[in-house]
Amino acid sequence: DAKTTQPPSMDCAEGRAANLPCNHSTISGNEYVYWYRQIHSQGPQYIIHGLKNNETNEMASLIITEDRKSSTLILPHATLRDTAVYYCIVRAQGGSEKLVFGKGTKLTVNP
Amino acid sequence: DAGVIQSPRHEVTEMGQEVTLRCKPISGHNSLFWYRQTMMRGLELLIYFNNNVPIDDSGMPEDRFSAKMPNASFSTLKIQPSEPRDSAVYFCASSPDRGRATQPQHFGDGTRLSIL
Repeated sequence: DAKTTQPPSMDCAEGRAANLPCNHSTISGNEYVYWYRQIHSQGPQYIIHGLKNNETNEMASLIITEDRKSSTLILPHATLRDTAVYYCIVRAQGGSEKLVFGKGTKLTVNP
Repeated sequence: DAGVIQSPRHEVTEMGQEVTLRCKPISGHNSLFWYRQTMMRGLELLIYFNNNVPIDDSGMPEDRFSAKMPNASFSTLKIQPSEPRDSAVYFCASSPDRGRATQPQHFGDGTRLSIL
């Protein structure tokens, strides 16, 4: 079972920041937060992951609360091509536990 | 970088037939994953390999499914005999992670399988 809770859908205006929340209140100390997305008819795409510090790469920023019970994925300037299902997953890095994809958040970026 | 390459992109066949899905991971990646996606069950991990060795096949639904990785650049997922409930999109993914890590990083575009 997925260990995360995400809203089923969100909308965002093109050019604005998209902030996707994720609750993971039962996260363990050695578990990372991973984000993937899946654009329609394509395979999932890895976005970013982090443990407790905020992370940023060319695609997005990941903000993790101090108690690590929730996080937010930020797409700073959303485009129409960012319309996708976004998955938040928690898992221990390097462990044998499977990466379990839940239902995710369907983000729709509107013109 | 050509990415993870899967073939065929689409497969339509009659139940009872053998189906073979193919995957070429990104060169240098030593972990390979097979996932299945349906509307009802979402994305499910079927099996993953590390250094060509199957590490966890607990997601393989039943004995009709088998997967092999004869070398670092090729893997197959075979269904024999196929059934209509096997209809799904099958994704292959690879990762450069070392050791027994199980985080897929790059996914292929999938094989859309329809069993009539």
